[in-house]
Amino acid sequence: KAGVTQTPRYLIKTRGQQVTLSCSPISGHRSVSWYQQTPGQGLQFLFEYFSETQRNKGNFPGRFSGRQFSNSRSEMNVSTLELGDSALYLCASSPGGGQSEKLFFGSGTQLSVL
Amino acid sequence: AQSVTQPDIHITVSEGASLELRCNYSYGATPYLFWYVQSPGQGLQLLLKYFSGDTLVQGIKGFEAEFKRSQSSFNLRKPSVHWSDAAEYFCAVASSGYSTLTFGKGTMLLVSP
Repeated sequence: KAGVTQTPRYLIKTRGQQVTLSCSPISGHRSVSWYQQTPGQGLQFLFEYFSETQRNKGNFPGRFSGRQFSNSRSEMNVSTLELGDSALYLCASSPGGGQSEKLFFGSGTQLSVL
Repeated sequence: AQSVTQPDIHITVSEGASLELRCNYSYGATPYLFWYVQSPGQGLQLLLKYFSGDTLVQGIKGFEAEFKRSQSSFNLRKPSVHWSDAAEYFCAVASSGYSTLTFGKGTMLLVSP
């Protein structure tokens, strides 16, 4: 069974641009979550989708958005990039997104904003 | 609001020695607690989890953790560390009824020969 796949692996953008990151969950998993990882703030929850609906959202500005498709694949978008958006963005999937479920993480997309 | 504290940013342990990584949490209800490990350039892998029952839980790679409600702690232990255990370790608590995790800042484990 293939794991969680995130593309691209690395991305370099400049301030003011926008970016779209993609995540393909494990087959059969319906919940997809996104996390931002930075040296200063650590791992922070962005949002979680289940069956194409956003169920939970972290404390990030509206420039961060996401969506989920009918095949459970998810994308996140960051508009008007800032230097502080440079981070490793991790996607995780689970079967139903329940509180006790194990999350399966992808290897992440490393975003650098210049 | 829930929070997780990992007081040690870095820990160095000799290969073959025992290991204990500390984790304290703040959460109003019964917590769902996890330990994840991250190798450089990789995502996170679940080591073990606790949400009810026996307070000593066993995980993969020879790790175990003990839940102590009175101390709000969930410390990770391993009796004998291997060089391949060098990585960053994250303690986390699940909240809001879903699998959303609040992570600690992580503890970087260095293993010396």
